[in-house]
Amino acid sequence: GAVVSQHPSWVICKSGTSVKIECRSLDFQATTMFWYRQFPKQSLMLMATSNEGSKATYEQGVEKDKFLINHASLTLSTLTVTSAHPEDSSFYICSASALATGGWQFFGPGTRLTVL
Amino acid sequence: DAKTTQPTSMDCAEGRAANLPCNHSTISGNEYVYWYRQIHSQGPQYIIHGLKNNETNEMASLIITEDRKSSTLILPHATLRDTAVYYCIVRSPSNTGKLIFGQGTTLQVKP
Repeated sequence: GAVVSQHPSWVICKSGTSVKIECRSLDFQATTMFWYRQFPKQSLMLMATSNEGSKATYEQGVEKDKFLINHASLTLSTLTVTSAHPEDSSFYICSASALATGGWQFFGPGTRLTVL
Repeated sequence: DAKTTQPTSMDCAEGRAANLPCNHSTISGNEYVYWYRQIHSQGPQYIIHGLKNNETNEMASLIITEDRKSSTLILPHATLRDTAVYYCIVRSPSNTGKLIFGQGTTLQVKP
């Protein structure tokens, strides 16, 4: 199946700093990428949908100025958590899809963010 | 997209079949049923999907009732590595492609 990677797999940062998470589709060109957030013992919550070359569409309640998403190429999307605070500590997961993959989503392994 | 209802948790003995139910009584005619699972601290893994016919692949079987209001995911011979949260998701192929996850079923496979 299609492979999606994320980097880093975990990161610890100080409050007030910004953190960038990368999501890459390794063996296919992803026209659409999705970003999810998951708190402990909870389900995945969709944050935003991004299409290559256009602005991301954010779900209700997600601050677009705090969670910056860039999808500059068909194999790379980045999520930047700006001015991170402890409440932003979470498991961030991306997924990618394309018509070539039948339109369904393949997920990355996730990035564990801890803000001190 | 239609909402789904799943039991919060289930147990299964190793080597036995695990049958995970899902209710989606408001499903529309063009909506597919997808199953994903998430092993602890990993990204979700696609298992299977279907529209109205039963489906089988190397991982599982999907049984969809004739009225399409419910379905069952079957893991024919559960192993300890199948312990995970299983998500049943209904999605229209015509939407943006986003998947909305419910709470899922935590399957615990016991030796």
